[in-house]
Amino acid sequence: DTGVSQNPRHKITKRGQNVTFRCDPISEHNRLYWYRQTLGQGPEFLTYFQNEAQLEKSRLLSDRFSAERPKGSFSTLEIQRTEQGDSAMYLCANSPSANYGYTFGSGTRLTVV
Amino acid sequence: AQSVTQLDSQVPVFEEAPVELRCNYSSSVSVYLFWYVQYPNQGLQLLLKYLSGSTLVKGINGFEAEFNKSQTSFHLRKPSVHISDTAEYFCAGGGAGNMLTFGGGTRLMVKP
Repeated sequence: DTGVSQNPRHKITKRGQNVTFRCDPISEHNRLYWYRQTLGQGPEFLTYFQNEAQLEKSRLLSDRFSAERPKGSFSTLEIQRTEQGDSAMYLCANSPSANYGYTFGSGTRLTVV
Repeated sequence: AQSVTQLDSQVPVFEEAPVELRCNYSSSVSVYLFWYVQYPNQGLQLLLKYLSGSTLVKGINGFEAEFNKSQTSFHLRKPSVHISDTAEYFCAGGGAGNMLTFGGGTRLMVKP
């Protein structure tokens, strides 16, 4: 139990469909991050929240991607009109400060067919 | 911009042998560095971190890493590996920004 929960663990969707992932972080850690990891690569930063405020977004986060963290608790990542290139593991991470290190969830593996 | 390079994509090693996984970073600001381990179909787990102070950092599972500022390196070592250490290892660095930058990973393959 890592303390960060992600759902679903796996998602298979048809190209063009919308998908939404959920992350439930450690409640007392106010920083929340989304990363994307493709096979054989390291995680790539997507976006960062401090409490409910989305403070940074990567250029990887196209306008088809949107993330929210209402009330500074759980977070959702939505991908609209999915493409095959969106197939990846989507990781949520949580931290109390910039230099503390992250606690990661187990990830959501997305397969777009 | 912060960048992290892991020089070896795969490292095969026999059980009970020593291992070193290499990591180099670049940064123009104060730096903190991490090593994470990822087992198949799981998220990343923190092995150890360097913030300041002693350049030799000890982590979980018998791993240690040495921060070398002159060589901008943060190599991970273990004196004797086990089969259970087979996994993907990621080096990560943070600077003035809010997020960590990860290297491409090194797959450690421990053979009996």
